[in-house]
Amino acid sequence: DGGITQSPKYLFRKEGQNVTLSCEQNLNHDAMYWYRQDPGQGLRLIYYSQIVNDFQKGDIAEGYSVSREKKESFPLTVTSAQKNPTAFYLCASSIGARDQPQHFGDGTRLSIL
Amino acid sequence: GNSVTQMEGPVTLSEEAFLTINCTYTATGYPSLFWYVQYPGEGLQLLLKATKADDKGSNKGFEATYRKETTSFHLEKGSVQVSDSAVYFCALAGSTLGRLYFGRGTQLTVWP
Repeated sequence: DGGITQSPKYLFRKEGQNVTLSCEQNLNHDAMYWYRQDPGQGLRLIYYSQIVNDFQKGDIAEGYSVSREKKESFPLTVTSAQKNPTAFYLCASSIGARDQPQHFGDGTRLSIL
Repeated sequence: GNSVTQMEGPVTLSEEAFLTINCTYTATGYPSLFWYVQYPGEGLQLLLKATKADDKGSNKGFEATYRKETTSFHLEKGSVQVSDSAVYFCALAGSTLGRLYFGRGTQLTVWP
């Protein structure tokens, strides 16, 4: 079955440490997205990529970085510059057309030790 | 700019009650509209969509009609079940290809 795989499901970060969240899709989608979800705030867009080797900042990109070296992979790094990283992170992919939905992974919950 | 405003929750209903979750939007041009559902500890799943004015999206007994004149896309279900308990998100796709703008989500709890 095609889908999006996020790993790990739970992740713990120490102060001053960078961590990388994995997102892989086998849907052959061109576009991929990273969202942050906090209670009562809905989903906020961190970064998105519409094609390999290209990506754009979303609404809350500070303290995060991404790469898009392969079509199927879009890892997110939460850097030590992100002062409040505790959240639920969701990766999504789509064909990239306006009338087509995004498909979501099951998320990674990041906590600070 | 693009934005979505959803009815604030939580919403608590008894089984077989009628459900309405209000959603209004602001957008330039003619957006596509979506409802997503999120069960505890999981990602979002597409529930239904509508891509032009007066379109009605439907799935699993849920319906929503794209109303351009009132810029609304309210979610309805005639008889909810305990298994419908989840968080529901309204979203629009604007002019930037593929980018979605989400509402804050509405928590629905259905009691037997």
